[in-house]
Amino acid sequence: DSGVTQTPKHLITATGQRVTLRCSPRSGDLSVYWYQQSLDQGLQFLIQYYNGEERAKGNILERFSAQQFPDLHSELNLSSLELGDSALYFCASSVGAVRSGNTIYFGEGSWLTVV
Amino acid sequence: AQTVTQSQPEMSVQEAETVTLSCTYDTSESDYYLFWYKQPPSRQMILVIRQEAYKQQNATENRFSVNFQKAAKSFSLKISDSQLGDAAMYFCAYNSGGSNYKLTFGKGTLLTVNP
Repeated sequence: DSGVTQTPKHLITATGQRVTLRCSPRSGDLSVYWYQQSLDQGLQFLIQYYNGEERAKGNILERFSAQQFPDLHSELNLSSLELGDSALYFCASSVGAVRSGNTIYFGEGSWLTVV
Repeated sequence: AQTVTQSQPEMSVQEAETVTLSCTYDTSESDYYLFWYKQPPSRQMILVIRQEAYKQQNATENRFSVNFQKAAKSFSLKISDSQLGDAAMYFCAYNSGGSNYKLTFGKGTLLTVNP
């Protein structure tokens, strides 16, 4: 158990719909990251938040958005869903920047199936 | 942009034997971090081992060790005394250690352990 909690674990929804994935980081971790794992794209970095502020953005679509709340939990919002958005979405957390030697820990992921 | 290459899509090893998984990366930076993550059938991403580029000594974690060749930009993972539970997808990952944090992953190597 990494200490990173993600809900829901599985989600099936229709095209055009909107879903929210939730993540609670490990106790004491200030950074939250979202990754997408799909068969054709592999593991892709989406976005990072540090203590409530966006820190880095990767290959995140405009239809997707995220935020980190004052209690440090994070949500990833996926809207106007398409079949190609079906993937495993990981949340991960770390204490801070990697220069301080922190390691990033992953949650168990949220399986999203768009039908 | 940094890239991570795992040239072995699949590997197999006999139980109790030793196997080495290859990883090469491309970067122009001198300070960075390298990781190996394991993803078993449960799909959770589990950190196996990490290496700081400024450290010449190869990292070791029990039966797992790395061969870090900075000049060659090579970072291989050696698993000794392989166990059935080692069967998983293994991902090599790179991080530049900057103010933002983005793990760049390779495509992965699927390791099968034969009894």
